[in-house]
Amino acid sequence: EADIYQTPRYLVIGTGKKITLECSQTMGHDKMYWYQQDPGMELHLIHYSYGVNSTEKGDLSSESTVSRIRTEHFPLTLESARPSHTSQYLCASSDPLQGAHNEKLFFGSGTQLSVL
Amino acid sequence: AQSVAQPEDQVNVAEGNPLTVKCTYSVSGNPYLFWYVQYPNRGLQFLLKYITGDNLVKGSYGFEAEFNKSQTSFHLKKPSALVSDSALYFCAVRAGDSNYQLIWGAGTKLIIKP
Repeated sequence: EADIYQTPRYLVIGTGKKITLECSQTMGHDKMYWYQQDPGMELHLIHYSYGVNSTEKGDLSSESTVSRIRTEHFPLTLESARPSHTSQYLCASSDPLQGAHNEKLFFGSGTQLSVL
Repeated sequence: AQSVAQPEDQVNVAEGNPLTVKCTYSVSGNPYLFWYVQYPNRGLQFLLKYITGDNLVKGSYGFEAEFNKSQTSFHLKKPSALVSDSALYFCAVRAGDSNYQLIWGAGTKLIIKP
């Protein structure tokens, strides 16, 4: 079992609210990722980090921001939520020492966000 | 452009029968190929990967996948399906032209009927 945790599991909020989705891992992995997944659809990378103080935007344009102040923690923040942000958000981590570009990802259980 | 295709939205198999979940890809250079599984209300889990070498890769829960370079395919297989194999299966690829970020297929829902 992967030691990567996401909270909350479900979140329903009103438009305009600021929210932070939490993601923590206890495996000491340098690489962490945020994906967005709509039901029955592929995962889209929205942010990633290769280590502390390193963050990059992914392929999918997103109005969210991330921070990586500690290795184990990679929160995602939406400053002003909109209905278009309704989706499932998946956090993942990987250990680059397992292989160059072929290491497996460990996923959290996800946060299902609904913006009314 | 890099892409991964899972041509079947859903695959239905009777318990005990062999199963195949299809995946084809389009990337430049040598690909790293992966299968992940998503059970209901649980996170995605790694099943297996192909890096290089033997084209038949064995993974978790009795699954295996065959890499076919000429057909650019990486189909997931299992000789005898279990009801507990029912889940959503995702194929993904990494290659140099995607800056080694994972490109994901849309997923295939596998339903195993008793």
